[in-house]
Amino acid sequence: DIVMTQTPPSLSVTPGQPASISCKSSQSLLNSNGKTYLYWFLQKPGQSPQLLIFEVSKRFHGVPDRFSGSGSGTDFTLKISRVEAEDVGVYYCMQSIQLPITFGGGTKVELQ
Amino acid sequence: QVQLVQSGAEVKKPGASLKVSCKASGYTFTTSGISWVRQAPGQGLEWMGGINPYNGNTKYAQKFQRRVTMTADTSTNTAYMEVRSLRSDDTAVYFCARDTLDWGQGTLVIVSS
Repeated sequence: DIVMTQTPPSLSVTPGQPASISCKSSQSLLNSNGKTYLYWFLQKPGQSPQLLIFEVSKRFHGVPDRFSGSGSGTDFTLKISRVEAEDVGVYYCMQSIQLPITFGGGTKVELQ
Repeated sequence: QVQLVQSGAEVKKPGASLKVSCKASGYTFTTSGISWVRQAPGQGLEWMGGINPYNGNTKYAQKFQRRVTMTADTSTNTAYMEVRSLRSDDTAVYFCARDTLDWGQGTLVIVSS
C-alpha cells in the first residue's frame, strides 16, 4: 500500500496569515497518462470531507483561490494564502493512483 | 446539484450484519464510481472499497475483502454496503462518495453489546 505522510499533525494559525501543509507519498503518484493522482480534502468539524484540490493543483468548483496545491512525484504541499475562520478543520491528502486508496493522517488547523 | 443521501444511524450487536444505503441524485448514476470510506471516532479516513454502478464491478481493501459486499441498484440510483460479523472496532461513521468528489452526510454505526 502507498503510505501518505502528512506534516505537521496540527497547526495553529493567526487569521489572515498563511499556512502550509506537507504530504509525502511512499511511491510516485505520477501515472503514465501524465496525471498525478493527489487530492486534498478539508473536513470541517462535524461534517463530511469536502474536496479542495484534485490532481495536485486543480481547485474543485467553488473552492476559494486562497487555496493552492503544488508538488510532483512524491512531495506535495497545500497552501492557504490567508487563513480565514471557515478554514478550520482537518486537512487530508489522498492518493488514488493505486488501490487501496490511502489517506494521510490529517493536519488539524485551528485559529490562534 | 449532486447529492448523496445516506441511511440513518444504526446500533448493532457484535456478530450482527449492517447494510448502509447511499441514494444518489443530480448526475447519471452509472457514470461515476461510488467509494465507501469510514472514520472511527477521533481517527482519520479509511477507504473500504468501491463499486462501478455501470457494471457492478467492485474493488475492496484487503482487510474488508471477506466481510464487506458493495452493490448498486441502477433502478433506484442507490448504492449499498453490507458489513458482516460486526465487531466493536467497526464503530465508525461510514461515508459514501462519488469518485471522492462529492460525499454523503455519513452514517454513524455503533457496535456494542
